[in-house]
Amino acid sequence: EADIYQTPRYLVIGTGKKITLECSQTMGHDKMYWYQQDPGMELHLIHYSYGVNSTEKGDLSSESTVSRIRTEHFPLTLESARPSHTSQYLCASSIGGSSGSRSSYNEQFFGPGTRLTVL
Amino acid sequence: KNQVEQSPQSLIILEGKNCTLQCNYTVSPFSNLRWYKQDTGRGPVSLTIMTFSENTKSNGRYTATLDADTKQSSLHITASQLSDSASYICVVSDRGSTLGRLYFGRGTQLTVWP
Repeated sequence: EADIYQTPRYLVIGTGKKITLECSQTMGHDKMYWYQQDPGMELHLIHYSYGVNSTEKGDLSSESTVSRIRTEHFPLTLESARPSHTSQYLCASSIGGSSGSRSSYNEQFFGPGTRLTVL
Repeated sequence: KNQVEQSPQSLIILEGKNCTLQCNYTVSPFSNLRWYKQDTGRGPVSLTIMTFSENTKSNGRYTATLDADTKQSSLHITASQLSDSASYICVVSDRGSTLGRLYFGRGTQLTVWP
């Protein structure tokens, strides 16, 4: 079982609310990721981080923002939630390292996910 | 365009039976291919990982194969159990970026009936 945690597991909120989804890992991994997944669909990368103070947008455009102030913590924030944000959000982490090394296998360990419903 | 296609989309089998799930990909340059198991409401958990030089990898009752020439992979599950009911996701990693970008299939939803 990977040591990566997400809270809350389930969240139902009204439109316009500000929310923060928490993600923490205790493996000392440099790289962390946020994915969005709708039922029956593939995971889409929305944010990633190479390390502290490094954040980048992923393949899928998202109105959410992320921060990486500590290695172990990678929270995702929605300033004003809308029904279109209803989805499952998965956090993952992987060890750092340069391409060509074993760490380039990029084994990603996933958290249990947060199921967000915006009414 | 880098893509990962899985078939079938869903599958129902009886407990104790075997099944095979398919994955075709166009990701290039290829680095490795993984099969993940995702239980409902949970995050994916890695089952196997194969690099270009490996053509088979086993993990208990799960056996994955890889044909890098035809860009196809399969996951074979033997003697299925009720706990095998889950979505099985094929994930391909490329070598073209320092991020080691992952490309996900949509998964095969497997249901095992008693």
